Amino acid sequence: GDSVTQMEGPVTLSEEAFLTINCTYTATGYPSLFWYVQYPGEGLQLLLKATKADDKGSNKGFEATYRKETTSFHLEKGSVQVSDSAVYFCALSDLMGAQKLVFGQGTRLTINP
Amino acid sequence: KAGVTQTPRYLIKTRGQQVTLSCSPISGHRSVSWYQQTPGQGLQFLFEYFSETQRNKGNFPGRFSGRQFSNSRSEMNVSTLELGDSALYLCASSLEGTPGQFFGPGTRLTVL
Repeated sequence: GDSVTQMEGPVTLSEEAFLTINCTYTATGYPSLFWYVQYPGEGLQLLLKATKADDKGSNKGFEATYRKETTSFHLEKGSVQVSDSAVYFCALSDLMGAQKLVFGQGTRLTINP
Repeated sequence: KAGVTQTPRYLIKTRGQQVTLSCSPISGHRSVSWYQQTPGQGLQFLFEYFSETQRNKGNFPGRFSGRQFSNSRSEMNVSTLELGDSALYLCASSLEGTPGQFFGPGTRLTVL
């Protein structure tokens, strides 16, 4: 079945550092790919998405590019802030079926001032 | 537009009891999905409803059930609660044909 693998956390960075969180996927079809973020005590927020190969999703300074050849969707940000501290989830959805997200295990990110 | 709302936000139950959680999707969204989030298993898909019909189901026992009403609001029920059912239960809604789901704040269920 479909699956998503994220880099293990936790990740701790200093403010203004460059961020990369790796995500690779396995899918039989042509899934849509997503990054969600979860702040403490809250639900998940959709951060960005890409629906086909070579698409780049971007939002709030975060970017990720759908790489079909490497089955990857790595999350990047050029200069992180303390407010970016949260748990980040990579996910895929195969719209050939119903609306069902398959999530990675999540990566906890802490940014120190 | 108002976001996805879930009630109640917190619940404490004892083993053997049953519980019903409620979810109101974003206006115009007819698909509602439910997920269970635990530290050990992460985020796992429970089921999805669309137009009052269960369209997809995850790998959970029959104690977990759900339904959807004509106004797209959804409920999930867990019967004969077990300690392992303690989790954050998240509801998400989406627009048919549009990739991406929008999540509510979740219901934190504690089973004692």
